[in-house]
Amino acid sequence: AQSVTQLDSQVPVFEEAPVELRCNYSSSVSVYLFWYVQYPNQGLQLLLKYLSGSTLVKGINGFEAEFNKSQTSFHLRKPSVHISDTAEYFCAVSEAAGGTSYGKLTFGQGTILTVHP
Amino acid sequence: SQTIHQWPATLVQPVGSPLSLECTVEGTSNPNLYWYRQAAGRGLQLLFYSVGIGQISSEVPQNLSASRPQDRQFILSSKKLLLSDSGFYLCAWSAPGTGVATQYFGPGTRLLVL
Repeated sequence: AQSVTQLDSQVPVFEEAPVELRCNYSSSVSVYLFWYVQYPNQGLQLLLKYLSGSTLVKGINGFEAEFNKSQTSFHLRKPSVHISDTAEYFCAVSEAAGGTSYGKLTFGQGTILTVHP
Repeated sequence: SQTIHQWPATLVQPVGSPLSLECTVEGTSNPNLYWYRQAAGRGLQLLFYSVGIGQISSEVPQNLSASRPQDRQFILSSKKLLLSDSGFYLCAWSAPGTGVATQYFGPGTRLLVL
């Protein structure tokens, strides 16, 4: 079984400042990692994913994340945030291909990013 | 391209009433389908998933049930709603099989049980 911990429930930042949203995971098997964003009263939108290969992955809206296997982390970063980035962000993990979990995702509790002008 | 629909968008139901939420996917065949619940201030909890017609796996024992009567249709039901069933219900799909399973989410249904 997998578990995900998002270390910050809320992150307030000023516009154009950098931001890092932290995510740690626990798993006894190889995993895939995901970041999703949820705007108020909407579904989840995929920001980026790590499947294999380069540990630095780039996603939509200028976000990137780095997979660190030794620290079991997958932190999300953006060098300069905008007001429109205000949303809730979810880190998620699934068992890697070949398993029997049918891609079931385990989510963290979410981090609310609030960008102030 | 693939599209996922959920309805209704919002629903207010009295305690003890039945529930039926519907999710349909277009543009793909034999998808894996998932139901999640997002309660206020909490993360997403996987309720059910399905890898094919009539095949339902339950993740959490509860007052809800799921059915998949057609390949791209996934229904969440309850015979008698509880206050604790309130929440935001999200349906998702992923490509069939046990490979890479990026999930794509629908717009959600907000359920308030009074």
